[in-house]
Amino acid sequence: NAGVTQTPKFQVLKTGQSMTLQCAQDMNHNSMYWYRQDPGMGLRLIYYSASEGTTDKGEVPNGYNVSRLNKREFSLRLESAAPSQTSVYFCASSGRTAVNQPQHFGDGTRLSIL
Amino acid sequence: RKEVEQDPGPFNVPEGATVAFNCTYSNSASQSFFWYRQDCRKEPKLLMSVYSSGNEDGRFTAQLNRASQYISLLIRDSKLSDSATYLCVVSFDRGSTLGRLYFGRGTQLTVWP
Repeated sequence: NAGVTQTPKFQVLKTGQSMTLQCAQDMNHNSMYWYRQDPGMGLRLIYYSASEGTTDKGEVPNGYNVSRLNKREFSLRLESAAPSQTSVYFCASSGRTAVNQPQHFGDGTRLSIL
Repeated sequence: RKEVEQDPGPFNVPEGATVAFNCTYSNSASQSFFWYRQDCRKEPKLLMSVYSSGNEDGRFTAQLNRASQYISLLIRDSKLSDSATYLCVVSFDRGSTLGRLYFGRGTQLTVWP
């Protein structure tokens, strides 16, 4: 069972470059999420998508854009990367937009911006 | 104030010890509660949900105190493999943010032989 798959696993960028982080889930989940995790900060929500065709901002959306391409895929784009965006990025999904649904995480993308 | 607060630790305990973590949450309307486990440089994984009546899964016991707005996790007979960071997570309905989870910063546990 693949679950939530993220690509790439590692990436190094130069300041100002752009890139897209890909996420796909095969659990037929409605909701998908992008988080970043920094030392001492815990997980912070960047954007989420409650269902196909909808996206909403989380705690730290500045500098990012997202696309919910279809039910399976939710991508995160950095248009002009900055060193402050160096982080570990996790994608997650959950069964439906309900408060009692836990989330399943991908294994992360480690992004360094020089 | 953060939605979820945890003692970051670290907690260092010998094998076989019992260890307890507490977590407090700020929103009294919180409706769902979880403990996640995160190994070093890995993704968070659901350890257990927390129910109002308290629940147990093997060596792990979770308790919820709604009146005091805190959640606890008790680990009995600690194993080396329990070494990880434990994340307290709550969810509440805030209109359009239905289904969103709020994570504590985590409590680090190291079990030594």
